[in-house]
Amino acid sequence: TQLLEQSPQFLSIQEGENLTVYCNSSSVFSSLQWYRQEPGEGPVLLVTVVTGGEVKKLKRLTFQFGDARKDSSLHITAAQPGDTGLYLCAGYNSGYGGATNKLIFGTGTLLAVQP
Amino acid sequence: ETGVTQTPRHLVMGMTNKKSLKCEQHLGHNAMYWYKQSAKKPLELMFVYSLEERVENNSVPSRFSPECPNSSHLFLHLHTLQPEDSALYLCASSRALGRAFQETQYFGPGTRLLVL
Repeated sequence: TQLLEQSPQFLSIQEGENLTVYCNSSSVFSSLQWYRQEPGEGPVLLVTVVTGGEVKKLKRLTFQFGDARKDSSLHITAAQPGDTGLYLCAGYNSGYGGATNKLIFGTGTLLAVQP
Repeated sequence: ETGVTQTPRHLVMGMTNKKSLKCEQHLGHNAMYWYKQSAKKPLELMFVYSLEERVENNSVPSRFSPECPNSSHLFLHLHTLQPEDSALYLCASSRALGRAFQETQYFGPGTRLLVL
């Protein structure tokens, strides 16, 4: 069974602080996605990383895919209250060989940014 | 607004009731999914449909019965549920199945289900 463990589970910080969320697995993924889910809504895709070692930036968010494609991190610079939400990593399993490639979701990190 | 709508947004039902959840996507996608999101657990994939054909049934109890009459609509029929089935049920769609590895799934807002 492929699992994606996220840490920390909960994070409460002040506006302007920096933070990093980690997504770790013992399994290799062909790609990894990060989603943000706000209360009362479904997850919304932020980014997809594909290549080991890849770094992508989305304004104040920086995403990195581990060299071995087993882990990823999300770094937020100068967090704002609008960044509040549940952050989910999700990996497409590689070499599954079935009719579908399943998207395996991580355990989630709940972020609260206080003004 | 992601182009995926779900109704109802909230549902309270007794264990002997029968109800249905509805999902509609306005994106022209060919694949649709049902997920279950419970507290303290990762999103769990329940069912996958591609071009109205079920291609995945992820060991879901038979008290959950999906239906996909066309590529734009997906239903989840519920009967004799248990309190532990209380959760947020999310529908998603994608252009095609994730055969490669970069298919983006677009999620609806979910139906918050409470089983009493």
